[in-house]
Amino acid sequence: DVQMTQSPYNLAASPGESVSINCKASKSISKYLAWYQQKPGKANKLLIYDGSTLQSGIPSRFSGSGSGTDFTLTIRSLEPEDFGLYYCQQHNEYPPTFGGGTKLELK
Amino acid sequence: QVQLQQSGAELVKPGSSVKISCKASGYTFTSYDMHWIKQQPGNGLEWIGWIYPGNGNTKYNQKFNGKATLTADKSSSTAYMQLSSLTSEDSAVYFCARSVPLRRAPFDYWGQGVMVTVSS
Repeated sequence: DVQMTQSPYNLAASPGESVSINCKASKSISKYLAWYQQKPGKANKLLIYDGSTLQSGIPSRFSGSGSGTDFTLTIRSLEPEDFGLYYCQQHNEYPPTFGGGTKLELK
Repeated sequence: QVQLQQSGAELVKPGSSVKISCKASGYTFTSYDMHWIKQQPGNGLEWIGWIYPGNGNTKYNQKFNGKATLTADKSSSTAYMQLSSLTSEDSAVYFCARSVPLRRAPFDYWGQGVMVTVSS
């Protein structure tokens, strides 16, 4: 199985700031990396897929980059609703596997 | 709008089985894969398997072979996952999630999750 390693584990920031979350695959997954947001009491939300394609309805302050083994999710100008858990997931091969998550907290 | 409504929390005894559901609405149920994903407290997410309700085809993560059984009822647009021979390791939140039936598709809609607690 492809191992996905996310960093940092925790991230504290203030509204208006920009942050980046990294995800590293144990082998090349081409461009097939997705990012999800998880918040208590809400369904998980797909933000980015294919490494950099913004899911419909997701604000443009979210962006993804990378290919091969190294990927980054960037959130520009943080809004209060952006705080929560973020997971990366490779969708290149079965079984799909997830990173361990990054908790984005209010500073 | 697409919605995946999952059944309520379950408290079950070790050694027993449990069947949880995921009712789909807002799209053609038989035209998308339905996946199941496990999340243990403090742990990450693990993919269990998928079912294609259109023809009942399934694919499982080897790790969950014999543990999880996926079915779907086209008449009610509901997917089910049965977990058997439950142990404390099966205590987790279980999500259903949809994808287009293509290789390399992400999960574009998720259910709210069902907490299963295995305890005597």
